[in-house]
Amino acid sequence: KQEVTQIPAALSVPEGENLVLNCSFTDSAIYNLQWFRQDPGKGLTSLLLIQSSQREQTSGRLNASLDKSSGRSTLYIAASQPGDSATYLCAVDIEYGNKLVFGAGTILRVKS
Amino acid sequence: SAVISQKPSRDICQRGTSLTIQCQVDSQVTMMFWYRQQPGQSLTLIATANQGSEATYESGFVIDKFPISRPNLTFSTLTVSNLSPEDSSIYLCSVESDSYEQYFGPGTRLTVT
Repeated sequence: KQEVTQIPAALSVPEGENLVLNCSFTDSAIYNLQWFRQDPGKGLTSLLLIQSSQREQTSGRLNASLDKSSGRSTLYIAASQPGDSATYLCAVDIEYGNKLVFGAGTILRVKS
Repeated sequence: SAVISQKPSRDICQRGTSLTIQCQVDSQVTMMFWYRQQPGQSLTLIATANQGSEATYESGFVIDKFPISRPNLTFSTLTVSNLSPEDSSIYLCSVESDSYEQYFGPGTRLTVT
């Protein structure tokens, strides 16, 4: 059974810091990995999708890497801003778009 | 990316009643998904809904409790039946893009009293 773990569970940093969020999964048989952002009381916003054959994806200040063989992904946020404060979720796709298994999330607070 | 809307955005329901949640997508999609997010927890897939066929339910979820309709390629409903306080959660629908990226609606926050 696929299990996804995110570390740390919560993180508080001053504005401007670069930070790394970690995601690990127990079964390397995944099709892709997706990072989401969830604001309080809201739905999920897709940030980055990494296909299983890819090593990383970048969007603006965000960079996500994937090491499928070791079951790890990291989300790097450069020059953090208070607007980045949210819960960040990673999810692995175990049935080619048909089923995502989510981690519990990292609650990020960026202080101004 | 797809634009997804859900109704209602939130509701408070009494124990033993039912709530039907609507999900509307701005484009035709083959598959729609329903997830549950219990308080303080992450998302769990309830079922996958294809147009014209019965929904496929994940382990621990049954059709009698969570009946789903998928009448066309842009719309789906999830009903949560015989409500109990344990059903208090956020319910989200999602769709997949051609590149297998999933997009989510804003969610429906259900509180059962």
